[in-house]
Amino acid sequence: DVKVTQSSRYLVKRTGEKVFLECVQDMDHENMFWYRQDPGLGLRLIYFSYDVKMKEKGDIPEGYSVSREKKERFSLILESASTNQTSMYLCASTGGAISTDTQYFGPGTRLTVL
Amino acid sequence: GQQLNQSPQSMFIQEGEDVSMNCTSSSIFNTWLWYKQDPGEGPVLLIALYKAGELTSNGRLTAQFGITRKDSFLNISASIPSDVGIYFCAGPPDSWGKLQFGAGTQVVVTP
Repeated sequence: DVKVTQSSRYLVKRTGEKVFLECVQDMDHENMFWYRQDPGLGLRLIYFSYDVKMKEKGDIPEGYSVSREKKERFSLILESASTNQTSMYLCASTGGAISTDTQYFGPGTRLTVL
Repeated sequence: GQQLNQSPQSMFIQEGEDVSMNCTSSSIFNTWLWYKQDPGEGPVLLIALYKAGELTSNGRLTAQFGITRKDSFLNISASIPSDVGIYFCAGPPDSWGKLQFGAGTQVVVTP
């Protein structure tokens, strides 16, 4: 079974703190994604990566950066957390772009910024 | 990019009821995907559709690929409490494997 794990299920941080969210997948997938989920807005793509050290901006990259030093690990970084970044963050991975490939999601990290 | 409209946004249903939700796209699709997110978990793929007119079931869930190729429907029959969650539609992955998701339909089942 594909497993995507995220480092924390719940996180509380203060405004201005640097926050790291970690995601690890065990299926040797090339592509990894970070989304944020807010009520009524669905899943919005922040960043994705198609290879080690490669990254592309998604729809809402402002205020975030990412790091992919190893194939299995994709980190989301909030350089200076703000209250409007309080949200659920979901990581996903997929093996490729053919239509039969699905995205596999982690359980999510619920981040609260005070 | 793809624009997906999913409705309804939420539904409160009684156990045993049948429910239906739908998703429409501004462009023609060759794939429709339906995911379910259980409370406190990440979304999981329920059903994938690859052909216009296709009807596919997964237990009490049935999804249809609309013949216009711009819409899809998901039906839940005889709902039970574990059907609670958020259901998302998504279109085909792009060349990077990216998906565009609908806003989701929150389903609440009352006994």
